Amino acid sequence: NAGVTQTPKFRILKIGQSMTLQCTQDMNHNYMYWYRQDPGMGLKLIYYSVGAGITDKGEVPNGYNVSRSTTEDFPLRLELAAPSQTSVYFCASSYGRESEKLFFGSGTQLSVL
Amino acid sequence: RKEVEQDPGPFNVPEGATVAFNCTYSNSASQSFFWYRQDCRKEPKLLMSVYSSGNEDGRFTAQLNRASQYISLLIRDSKLSDSATYLCVVGRPGGYQKVTFGIGTKLQVIP
Repeated sequence: NAGVTQTPKFRILKIGQSMTLQCTQDMNHNYMYWYRQDPGMGLKLIYYSVGAGITDKGEVPNGYNVSRSTTEDFPLRLELAAPSQTSVYFCASSYGRESEKLFFGSGTQLSVL
Repeated sequence: RKEVEQDPGPFNVPEGATVAFNCTYSNSASQSFFWYRQDCRKEPKLLMSVYSSGNEDGRFTAQLNRASQYISLLIRDSKLSDSATYLCVVGRPGGYQKVTFGIGTKLQVIP
């Protein structure tokens, strides 16, 4: 059982480039999330989705976009990468609401230079 | 005041010791509480949910104090494998979009 799969694990971008972080889960979870984790900071929610076709902004959405065309996939798009987007990104999923366990992907270390 | 506050540590303890972490939260409407464990350069994984009555899982005990707005994690008989960062997670009603992660407390268990 793969759980939540994120790709790539590492990526270096130049300022102004774009890329998509992929996230797939095979647990049939309705809820999916994208977080970023910076040193000395708690995880911050970028975007979330409560089901296919439904997405909404989290705490730090600027510079990012998402889509949710299927239950399984929740890609995160970075447009015009900036050094401030250097971070570790985690995709997560859960079956239900805040009382449910979050399952995280293994993370993507992104550097924007 | 931060919504969720944790002492970042590190807490350096010898094997076999008992160690406790606290986490304070500022929003009295918070209703769900968790401890997650995060190993270096890895993803967070749920360690324990924290219930009003307190709960225990082997060497780990979690407690909630609503009056003082803090949760605690007690680890007894520390093992080298307990070395990790422990994230306090607090949620308000409305789904995981209302969840706040603490910065984590780093524990290093020393032989």
